[in-house]
Amino acid sequence: NAGVTQTPKFRVLKTGQSMTLLCAQDMNHEYMYWYRQDPGMGLRLIHYSVGEGTTAKGEVPDGYNVSRLKKQNFLLGLESAAPSQTSVYFCASSPGTEYQETQYFGPGTRLLVL
Amino acid sequence: KQEVTQIPAALSVPEGENLVLNCSFTDSAIYNLQWFRQDPGKGLTSLLLIQSSQREQTSGRLNASLDKSSGRSTLYIAASQPGDSATYLCAVTLYNNNDMRFGAGTRLTVKP
Repeated sequence: NAGVTQTPKFRVLKTGQSMTLLCAQDMNHEYMYWYRQDPGMGLRLIHYSVGEGTTAKGEVPDGYNVSRLKKQNFLLGLESAAPSQTSVYFCASSPGTEYQETQYFGPGTRLLVL
Repeated sequence: KQEVTQIPAALSVPEGENLVLNCSFTDSAIYNLQWFRQDPGKGLTSLLLIQSSQREQTSGRLNASLDKSSGRSTLYIAASQPGDSATYLCAVTLYNNNDMRFGAGTRLTVKP
């Protein structure tokens, strides 16, 4: 049981390049989330999904797109990377039962945009 | 807009000391509050979750309290150990149940 895994662990991009971050969970969770963490700030929600085939915007969605084609995977895409997107990205999942439960976090992806 | 603040930003204590970390939030309409631990270069691990109807939760040497009316929570760590060194974040879940707002964290160092 690997929990939540993220690929890649680290990536350097040039401004304007595109990339996709992959999040996978093996806990059969319904809900999945993408956050970014910047120095001196808490985690901020980018997008989330409450089930396969569904996505919704979080607090800071601009410049990102997501897809949830399979229940276990949640992809975060950057179509045209900007230096402001330099950050550490965390994926999380939660069971999505009636009573809110904790979220389980992946180890993070460190992204540097030059 | 919900804002979550954690004070202090950093804290250094000698081993064995009891300590309190503080978290405040601006909107009391929350579903729950959680305390997380984050080790350098790692993801977050949930420590304690307090539902909005609860006043406190305990796990081992950790005790978290919630005063929703005043918008405050504290995390009490008893008999601190060097292994407790990490960043501690609090987060509130908004009533839509899908959005968590995090504080910036308190970086704790426990010196042997």
